[in-house]
Amino acid sequence: GAVVSQHPSRVICKSGTSVKIECRSLDFQATTMFWYRQFPKQSLMLMATSNEGSKATYEQGVEKDKFLINHASLTLSTLTVTSAHPEDSSFYICSAILAGNTGELFFGEGSRLTVL
Amino acid sequence: GESVGLHLPTLSVQEGDNSIINCAYSNSASDYFIWYKQESGKGPQFIIDIRSNMDKRQGQRVTVLLNKTVKHLSLQIAATQPGDSAVYFCAEEGGTYKYIFGTGTRLKVLA
Repeated sequence: GAVVSQHPSRVICKSGTSVKIECRSLDFQATTMFWYRQFPKQSLMLMATSNEGSKATYEQGVEKDKFLINHASLTLSTLTVTSAHPEDSSFYICSAILAGNTGELFFGEGSRLTVL
Repeated sequence: GESVGLHLPTLSVQEGDNSIINCAYSNSASDYFIWYKQESGKGPQFIIDIRSNMDKRQGQRVTVLLNKTVKHLSLQIAATQPGDSAVYFCAEEGGTYKYIFGTGTRLKVLA
């Protein structure tokens, strides 16, 4: 099946710094990618929809200036957590739709962010 | 708003027994549903999907049942194995590939 890769898988940073997480579709082109956030023992919450070549669409309550999303190519979307604080510590997961596909999402392995 | 929920947060089953994980959804207009398995520290893995024009779909050791009348989904795992231990989420398509995930059920397989 299609493979989605995230990097880094784990990152620890100091409060106030910015962290970039990459999401790549390795063997297919993804016109649309999604970013999710998951707190411990909770479900996945959709943060934003990332479309190649256009601005991301954010879900209600998600600060677009805090979570910058860039989808510069058909195989790469990035999420930058700006001026991270401890409450931003979470598991961030991306997913991608195979161009032309009818619905199946392919998920990355997730990136665990810990802000000290 | 629309939501997807699960009845049981934790399910413990003996190895070799069958498991049934349930999910209720509220958007009667949804026409695509997926079950995902998530192991600790990893991203969700696709297990099986079903469209609203079906009421049952079978995979390898897994079966998904859809009851549109009561807006209920279930995932049945036959002959549950230790490797099946994980959190299982149902997801409902909320429009143009936007999926709404349920709260999750943790499946514990007892030796």
